[in-house]
Amino acid sequence: EAGVTQSPTHLIKTRGQQATLRCSPISGHTSVYWYQQALGLGLQFLLWYDEGEERNRGNFPPRFSGRQFPNYSSELNVNALELEDSALYLCASSSPGLAVRTDTQYFGPGTRLTVL
Amino acid sequence: RKEVEQDPGPFNVPEGATVAFNCTYSNSASQSFFWYRQDCRKEPKLLMSVYSSGNEDGRFTAQLNRASQYISLLIRDSKLSDSATYLCVVKLGGNKLVFGAGTILRVKS
Repeated sequence: EAGVTQSPTHLIKTRGQQATLRCSPISGHTSVYWYQQALGLGLQFLLWYDEGEERNRGNFPPRFSGRQFPNYSSELNVNALELEDSALYLCASSSPGLAVRTDTQYFGPGTRLTVL
Repeated sequence: RKEVEQDPGPFNVPEGATVAFNCTYSNSASQSFFWYRQDCRKEPKLLMSVYSSGNEDGRFTAQLNRASQYISLLIRDSKLSDSATYLCVVKLGGNKLVFGAGTILRVKS
């Protein structure tokens, strides 16, 4: 079974530009999550999408946004890039279900964004 | 106070040793608990979920104490391949995972 995939692997942008990161969840998973891992820091929750809707959002400014498509893949958009946005952006997916134990999140390899 | 606190280590242990990691969390409404493993410059991978009754998976044993808001991971008979950063993770409402900063384990021959 294919895991979570992300593209691109690396992305280099300059301050003020926009970045678009993409994620495809594990087949059958409907929830997609985005996390930021800045150098030397722990993973920080960014966004949760499920069934095309934004369900939860972390403490990030509005220039971090995204969407989920009908095939459950997702995009993360970061506008007006700042130097401190340089980080590894990880996408995770989980399967639908009401039981707590079914919602384990599985991570993709990440996109490393560098802002110059 | 951080939502999830871990000793950053590093823990340097010889092969075959038993090592224990601890973690505390601050939100009593935390719903579920996990240990993830992250190798250098790689994505986190689920090691095991943690249940109140305690659970074991081969050489790995996890414990949860909800009253003390404390989670532990015990690794027996350490292997070189166990070297990694171990992340303590709690799930809050809205499916938000909160990660500890991680504990570095280095197993040496």
